[in-house]
Amino acid sequence: DAGITQSPRHKVTETGTPVTLRCHQTENHRYMYWYRQDPGHGLRLIHYSYGVKDTDKGEVSDGYSVSRSKTEDFLLTLESATSSQTSVYFCATRQGDQPQHFGDGTRLSIL
Amino acid sequence: GESVGLHLPTLSVQEGDNSIINCAYSNSASDYFIWYKQESGKGPQFIIDIRSNMDKRQGQRVTVLLNKTVKHLSLQIAATQPGDSAVYFCAEKRDNTGKLIFGQGTTLQVKP
Repeated sequence: DAGITQSPRHKVTETGTPVTLRCHQTENHRYMYWYRQDPGHGLRLIHYSYGVKDTDKGEVSDGYSVSRSKTEDFLLTLESATSSQTSVYFCATRQGDQPQHFGDGTRLSIL
Repeated sequence: GESVGLHLPTLSVQEGDNSIINCAYSNSASDYFIWYKQESGKGPQFIIDIRSNMDKRQGQRVTVLLNKTVKHLSLQIAATQPGDSAVYFCAEKRDNTGKLIFGQGTTLQVKP
């Protein structure tokens, strides 16, 4: 698992509430990524980070924001959750030319 | 639009047989390709990767073949075992940010 911990592992919340997911890594990797996984869509990139305070959008970034104030933590925030954001969220990290390694995901349900 | 896709959503094989999982990609500028295995309730696990300057790469019981002429990628698993049952994803990298574009996945079922 390349030292990646995602929290919480499961969360149920209501539409309109803010939600923050945390990705913590112990490998000191420079790059971090947030994906969502939905049936029929595979994994889609939400946001990524290429260093502390350096982030950029992925292909499905609307409704999400991220922050990276230190190397080991990458936070994903849903400012006002919607039912369409019900999904499984995966964090990944990468260093140099090595492949991305993934955490075990957060299952988020928005009612 | 551009996409990474898989030819078959489900592949069923007998234990001990070889498995071949196929993947088509559409961006000729992609320079790196990777296969992941995902078991239920887990995150994707790296299997093998290949760069565009190669056409074949072998690992332990796995081989990846890259055909740039027809934009096709395949994963071969030798002597398939029950533990190989999972969803397999191919992904391509199109630029130096490391961002990956994933296919939708193929489910491999191994019959004992």
